[in-house]
Amino acid sequence: EDKVVQSPLSLVVHEGDTVTLNCSYEVTNFRSLLWYKQEKKAPTFLFMLTSSGIEKKSGRLSSILDKKELFSILNITATQTGDSAVYLCAISNSNSGYALNFGKGTSLLVTP
Amino acid sequence: ETGVTQTPRHLVMGMTNKKSLKCEQHLGHNAMYWYKQSAKKPLELMFVYSLEERVENNSVPSRFSPECPNSSHLFLHLHTLQPEDSALYLCASSQDTAVGGYGYTFGSGTRLTVV
Repeated sequence: EDKVVQSPLSLVVHEGDTVTLNCSYEVTNFRSLLWYKQEKKAPTFLFMLTSSGIEKKSGRLSSILDKKELFSILNITATQTGDSAVYLCAISNSNSGYALNFGKGTSLLVTP
Repeated sequence: ETGVTQTPRHLVMGMTNKKSLKCEQHLGHNAMYWYKQSAKKPLELMFVYSLEERVENNSVPSRFSPECPNSSHLFLHLHTLQPEDSALYLCASSQDTAVGGYGYTFGSGTRLTVV
């Protein structure tokens, strides 16, 4: 059974700090790993990773995948209060490509 | 709004009531999904529809009944629910089911409370 474990489950930082969120997984026939940001209700897409070692970057956010060690990290530099949200990691496998298997999420609070 | 609209935003219902959740997407996507998000639990896939045909029913109790009359609309009919069914119900869409969740667009969800 596919499994996604995120750590930490919650985190409180000050504005300007850099944070690293972790996602480890077990999956048969890995297809992709995705990161979402959930503020209030609707999760919004951040990154999709399919290859090891290739960093995806968007502004202050970046993510990388290690398919050998089965994990991914999401980095946020110079955090702002608007980064406060739940960050969700999900994986898909080739057997049922449409279904995403989510972790519990990391709740990030950035204080002024 | 994300292009996926869910109504109502909040719903409180008794265990003997019948209600429906509605989802509408204006993105031209061919696949639609229902997910359940309970407190301290991961999102759980409930149903998947591709071109109005159900392709996944992820062991969901029969008190949840989905309906997809066309590729833009998805309903979740609820009857005789239990308090443990209280959760955030999220609808999502994607271009098609073969793309493995790329470009999933989620709605804002319906917060359901069963009393």
